[in-house]
This record gives sequence, structure tokens and C-alpha cells, in this order.
Amino acid sequence: QVQLVQSGAEVKKPGASVKVSCKASGYTFTDYFMHWVRQAPGQGLEWMGWINPNSGGTNYAQKFQGRVTMTRDTSITTVYMELTSLRSDDTAVYFCARCRRVTPPFDYWGQGTLVTVSS
Amino acid sequence: QSALTQPASVSGSPGQSITISCTGTSSDVGGYNSVSWYQQYPGKAPKLIIYEVTNRPSGVSNRFSASKSGNTASLTISGLQAEDEADYYCSSYTSNSTYVLFGGGTKLTVL
Repeated sequence: QVQLVQSGAEVKKPGASVKVSCKASGYTFTDYFMHWVRQAPGQGLEWMGWINPNSGGTNYAQKFQGRVTMTRDTSITTVYMELTSLRSDDTAVYFCARCRRVTPPFDYWGQGTLVTVSS
Repeated sequence: QSALTQPASVSGSPGQSITISCTGTSSDVGGYNSVSWYQQYPGKAPKLIIYEVTNRPSGVSNRFSASKSGNTASLTISGLQAEDEADYYCSSYTSNSTYVLFGGGTKLTVL
């Protein structure tokens, strides 16, 4: 069965970076795009960008350009999302979400990774 | 770009039907058949319940249905059950640089 398993919770100081991983299993890794979506406490969902695990190509939301980098390691079927220059308003649960094409829908989601930014 | 507009909350009694709206523009909801709906329980990841405006993934109850008219998409849940109490989000592709928009979410309370 399809599984997306994310790395554990992180606590970071303002200005630091965080790298969240998402290990995929149960399907052909390179056949599906992977998107990242975040959710601040008590708030709605916010799209961050996608990576094509086949080519490594990426597309980031304008809001995060310059601060986010999405990469993949096909040998271990894992994608990564790194966010730099963290601020307190980056405190959120970060989800990876699988997508058959570049555009939604997101048919499977990781369990989420809580990133807390606090001094 | 602003999120798609959803009501903050809706409620209904068991057995009743409710509808959640999702309003966007011609650059997103109205312009593409790329509307999807997600159900999210507290502390859990969202779950896809509708894709491409009207389609249900395998395993999703047929009590969930959806439609679109102009720039507004709608999710209807019929025969409300206690287990339907959750947050619901719509999503759409958008032709502007934001690429993907979500609604602000609607909290469904089953009375």
C-alpha cells in the first residue's frame, strides 16, 4: 500500500534552517510528483511547491522562493524540503502529498511534521 | 493571492444534508476542472474525498457529492453521520503564480 512517512518533529531557532524528509513506498516513486503543503496552528492549508522525483525539477510558490529547496534521492525513494531563514510564523505542520500530475488532486499525504520556530 | 472562500462553519443534524461552498475566480475554480475536496480530522493529515470537481476516489462514501457552477464549487454531504464531523478544505489549480489555492476551511459540526 502507498505510504508517505515523514521525519519527526523539529524545534528551531529563528534564522535557522530545517530539512524535512518524506519517504515514499508502495508505488513507483518516479511516476508521481510530490508537493509540500503546510498548516500553521489552527489555520488552513498553504501550498509551498512541488518536485518531480523523475527529473528533479521543481516549482515553488512565490512566497517561498529563495527560502525553500526541494530535492529527492531516488535510491531511497525520499524527497526533502528545506526551509531556511526560519521565522516564528513558519511554525506549522508540514505535509508531503503525492500527485499524479503537476496539478492537484493530492491522493496520499504524509502524516505531517511539526516544525516549531522559537527563541 | 487570497485563498478560496469557504464558510468558516456549518452544522447539521444526523441524517440531514449540508452543503459547503467554495468560491474563487475565473482564474482558478471557474476556469479549470481541477477542484478537489479534502476531509481533515484534528491532528491528522487531510484525506482526498473529491477530485476533478465531481469524482470520488475508491472507498469514499457515496454520501459525498460535489458540483461546480461558475466560480463556485460545492460539496454536499447527505445522511450526515457523527463521523463526518471534521474540517473540509477545497483546492483548485490557479493560473497565476500561486499555482495551487486552498480554501480557508469549513468546520462541520454534527449536532
